[in-house]
Amino acid sequence: DADVTQTPRNRITKTGKRIMLECSQTKGHDRMYWYRQDPGLGLQLIYYSFDVKDINKGEISDGYSVSRQAQAKFSLSLESAIPNQTALYFCATSDFKNEQFFGPGTRLTVL
Amino acid sequence: SQKIEQNSEALNIQEGKTATLTCNYTNYSPAYLQWYRQDPGRGPVFLLLIRENEKEKRKERLKVTFDTTLKQSLFHITASQPADSATYLCALARIKAAGNKLTFGGGTRVLVKP
Repeated sequence: DADVTQTPRNRITKTGKRIMLECSQTKGHDRMYWYRQDPGLGLQLIYYSFDVKDINKGEISDGYSVSRQAQAKFSLSLESAIPNQTALYFCATSDFKNEQFFGPGTRLTVL
Repeated sequence: SQKIEQNSEALNIQEGKTATLTCNYTNYSPAYLQWYRQDPGRGPVFLLLIRENEKEKRKERLKVTFDTTLKQSLFHITASQPADSATYLCALARIKAAGNKLTFGGGTRVLVKP
């Protein structure tokens, strides 16, 4: 089984809808991250969490919120989706060595 | 402003040759630099980490150099194979940044032709 899983893998939604992307990990890592990737722009950090009680904004947090329900679960929400949030979203985890382990990604399309 | 630049043009290379990718950065004092491989539709996979006080790191056919004076890292794939075709991302962690968060470059696509 994959160490970092994301659901759903693909989602098409309409402008104004609330969307939740979920991430689970079995690596036992404390640190978890949400990134978005747009073509040619690399990965941009949305939010990160170093433990269940620690949530931090990344570079592009506007329009997003997160919830760390447990050490193994980190969810990303788009409260009111807009078309420019169409992107590939990745969850990642890391330990103290800072090597990051990525999930398979969620392709989100906002119409 | 802080910038990490990778060549956005794809690198086409013949099988067996050495592929060399460049990662340049400005306005950073990185604690370390990482390289990741990303295949289409998949998440990045960690390859190598090199610290600010290291000049070179090797792993099998991969070699990374880090020149903090030039503010540049070079990533080499020796004896390249078609299976090495992918996008390669560099990522920097700033010194004393909270939790050493990574900032990623845009990636360079490599295509190894048989």
